[in-house]
Amino acid sequence: DTGVSQDPRHKITKRGQNVTFRCDPISEHNRLYWYRQTLGQGPEFLTYFQNEAQLEKSRLLSDRFSAERPKGSFSTLEIQRTEQGDSAMYLCASSFEGEAFFGQGTRLTVV
Amino acid sequence: AQTVTQSQPEMSVQEAETVTLSCTYDTSENNYYLFWYKQPPSRQMILVIRQEAYKQQNATENRFSVNFQKAAKSFSLKISDSQLGDTAMYFCAFRVAGTASKLTFGTGTRLQVTL
Repeated sequence: DTGVSQDPRHKITKRGQNVTFRCDPISEHNRLYWYRQTLGQGPEFLTYFQNEAQLEKSRLLSDRFSAERPKGSFSTLEIQRTEQGDSAMYLCASSFEGEAFFGQGTRLTVV
Repeated sequence: AQTVTQSQPEMSVQEAETVTLSCTYDTSENNYYLFWYKQPPSRQMILVIRQEAYKQQNATENRFSVNFQKAAKSFSLKISDSQLGDTAMYFCAFRVAGTASKLTFGTGTRLQVTL
């Protein structure tokens, strides 16, 4: 078990392009969370899955954002028509019953 | 809704000294957890210490301990015998107990440990 893995680690994209990030949680963890962290701020919750069901979405998750977790394993977060304000670190975390374990994040830069 | 406030954007401490990071929170919940997470530069966030609100005893993990004051809604982190490897961003976080609810984070305190 190598912990929570996120890919890519860094992504630079032009405004208006679509991007997709992947998160592989710890294998036995049924809960998966996405957070966004901007410079100088703490992580802010985006969405949460229990197995394959998306159970909660933040108001931060606009219509341009979509997240999936097919078969309750890995998860993807897609941002369509990226904007400069989407530039941030996107963190994934997973848990079973207790504490959440975080991945190293994907840093998105929209130019 | 819950809020978490960290009023110290940056702190500095000399190696081997003790430092205390402050955190206050606001909630109407009675049963919850509080956490301190460490985020080293360019590395993933890791859990430092956790406190259950129903426990009066303050949590301790080696050199890390908390001062949990439930009535005052205060949750400070004390790092004893500071080491260079303690240099990181430290985030205070809150989660409602009994659910798989998300973490609510403060804005963080950047701790620099110097020689």
